[in-house]
Amino acid sequence: EAGVVQSPRYKIIEKKQPVAFWCNPISGHNTLYWYLQNLGQGPELLIRYENEEAVDDSQLPKDRFSAERLKGVDSTLKIQPAELGDSAVYLCASSGTGLNTEAFFGQGTRLTVV
Amino acid sequence: TQLLEQSPQFLSIQEGENLTVYCNSSSVFSSLQWYRQEPGEGPVLLVTVVTGGEVKKLKRLTFQFGDARKDSSLHITAAQTGDTGLYLCAGSSGSARQLTFGSGTQLTVLP
Repeated sequence: EAGVVQSPRYKIIEKKQPVAFWCNPISGHNTLYWYLQNLGQGPELLIRYENEEAVDDSQLPKDRFSAERLKGVDSTLKIQPAELGDSAVYLCASSGTGLNTEAFFGQGTRLTVV
Repeated sequence: TQLLEQSPQFLSIQEGENLTVYCNSSSVFSSLQWYRQEPGEGPVLLVTVVTGGEVKKLKRLTFQFGDARKDSSLHITAAQTGDTGLYLCAGSSGSARQLTFGSGTQLTVLP
């Protein structure tokens, strides 16, 4: 079974440019998470989807960040315009139904804004 | 916002030594998970604890959930170089699959 797939693995952009990340969760997983992780720190939730509905986006900086999960499967996370402080690893994770279920993570996209 | 604080933030030990990592919060969690993350990879689940006072063992790793379900610890016996990594605790509360991560403990086991 394929795990969570993210692309690209690495992205370098100049500040003020737009950037988009893509995530394909594990088949059948209704819950999808986007996390931001700075080096050596724990992941911070940006947004959580249940199917196609964003049920927790309180930590998403909506002035520049947007996300979508059309059809409740794949998801994209966009930043426009990017700032130097956005440099981090963006992790996507998915989990199945039921409480206390494991979250499976992709390898992440390492974004560098120069 | 529920906060999970981990200590120590960094830990460097010799192979064969024992260590304990702590995860503390002022909030009650319905379950708590421990993950391990290697460079360039996403976190991978080690264990989930759901009952206050619960103790789970995974080979040389022992996980404990506090009686009040606000804290947890991870104890590693006879650490090996392969245990090196970032250890993360993550709490889940309520009926939602809201997963809040701790600040992480970077463990380095030296040969």
